Amino acid sequence: GESVGLHLPTLSVQEGDNSIINCAYSNSASDYFIWYKQESGKGPQFIIDIRSNMDKRQGQRVTVLLNKTVKHLSLQIAATQPGDSAVYFCAENFGNEKLTFGTGTRLTIIP
Amino acid sequence: NAGVTQTPKFQVLKTGQSMTLQCAQDMNHEYMSWYRQDPGMGLRLIHYSVGAGITDQGEVPNGYNVSRSTTEDFPLRLLSAAPSQTSVYFCASRIRDSSYEQYFGPGTRLTVT
Repeated sequence: GESVGLHLPTLSVQEGDNSIINCAYSNSASDYFIWYKQESGKGPQFIIDIRSNMDKRQGQRVTVLLNKTVKHLSLQIAATQPGDSAVYFCAENFGNEKLTFGTGTRLTIIP
Repeated sequence: NAGVTQTPKFQVLKTGQSMTLQCAQDMNHEYMSWYRQDPGMGLRLIHYSVGAGITDQGEVPNGYNVSRSTTEDFPLRLLSAAPSQTSVYFCASRIRDSSYEQYFGPGTRLTVT
């Protein structure tokens, strides 16, 4: 069945380096993707989204890349800071009112 | 704006008890939803509503009821609590447009013994 998953469950990055978090999806009908950040003890927080007719979208210090050929989504965080430590989720929508979430990647920043 | 608020923050129930998790938003969002989050897993949709008087099932609706009598409130009822319902519950809301940018509440941590 359709699934949204992540290549790595944990990622450790040196402070100041760039972080890349990956996500694989299997539903080729998905037309909308979102990245959420969840800090410990809090609800998820919207970071950035991208539609299937786009390959790239940039926000403040974040870039999302979409490769529809291999059904792959990535979130790049530039100049990673301690405040970026969190669990990051990708989510997809395929034309209905529902979002399907991946299992998450924990990003740890090394001082 | 307070955003999305949830009460209680923590709750312990015995098997078979019932309770209602409260969710309210003051952003006049049409769409509201309930998710559960289990350790090591992503969020799974329980129920959602696209407006007052309209609700629908998500991925894991069994054992839960919802109603939407007002735009602001979307309570989640556990009919007869089971240990498998031990989880963290999140409520979310959004404007019902082409963006799926949802605003999440702080969550309710529920333990069923």
